[in-house]
Amino acid sequence: DVKVTQSSRYLVKRTGEKVFLECVQDMDHENMFWYRQDPGLGLRLIYFSYDVKMKEKGDIPEGYSVSREKKERFSLILESASTNQTSMYLCASSPEGHPSYEQYFGPGTRLTVT
Amino acid sequence: GIQVEQSPPDLILQEGANSTLRCNFSDSVNNLQWFHQNPWGQLINLFYIPSGTKQNGRLSATTVATERYSLLYISSSQTTDSGVYFCAVGSNYKLTFGKGTLLTVNP
Repeated sequence: DVKVTQSSRYLVKRTGEKVFLECVQDMDHENMFWYRQDPGLGLRLIYFSYDVKMKEKGDIPEGYSVSREKKERFSLILESASTNQTSMYLCASSPEGHPSYEQYFGPGTRLTVT
Repeated sequence: GIQVEQSPPDLILQEGANSTLRCNFSDSVNNLQWFHQNPWGQLINLFYIPSGTKQNGRLSATTVATERYSLLYISSSQTTDSGVYFCAVGSNYKLTFGKGTLLTVNP
């Protein structure tokens, strides 16, 4: 079974703090993704990575950066947390392609910024 | 970008009833997934189904790619089926999610 783990289920941070969210997958997947989920807005893609040290912006990258130094690990960084970044953050991974691009998700991190 | 519409937005059933959830999308895709989000927020993979029909127990799904829609069937629903069902579509590895269908199954 594919396993995607995230470093914390719940996190509370103060405005202005630097926040790291970590994601690890154990299936040797090339692609990894960070989404945020908000009521009424659904899931939106923040960043994705298709290889080590490679990244591309998703639909809402502002205020975030990412790091992928190893294939199995993808980190989301909030350089200076703000209250509008309070959200549920979901990490996912998928294989590179044939025969499937199926994405698998971690359990999520509920981040509250006060 | 691709537009994804799910219907209905909300659905309330009695245990044992059957239901059909629909996902319409605006462009050709080679990637389509159905997920169930449980009360703890975890997205559970139900089907990877860019085309054709698949069945898994009481759940089945059909995607008609040429007509740009997919259907998720839930038969003999149980209270544990409650939650939000998402359809996500895309080209290659990038997915766009619909807003979801909130299903409530009452005992």
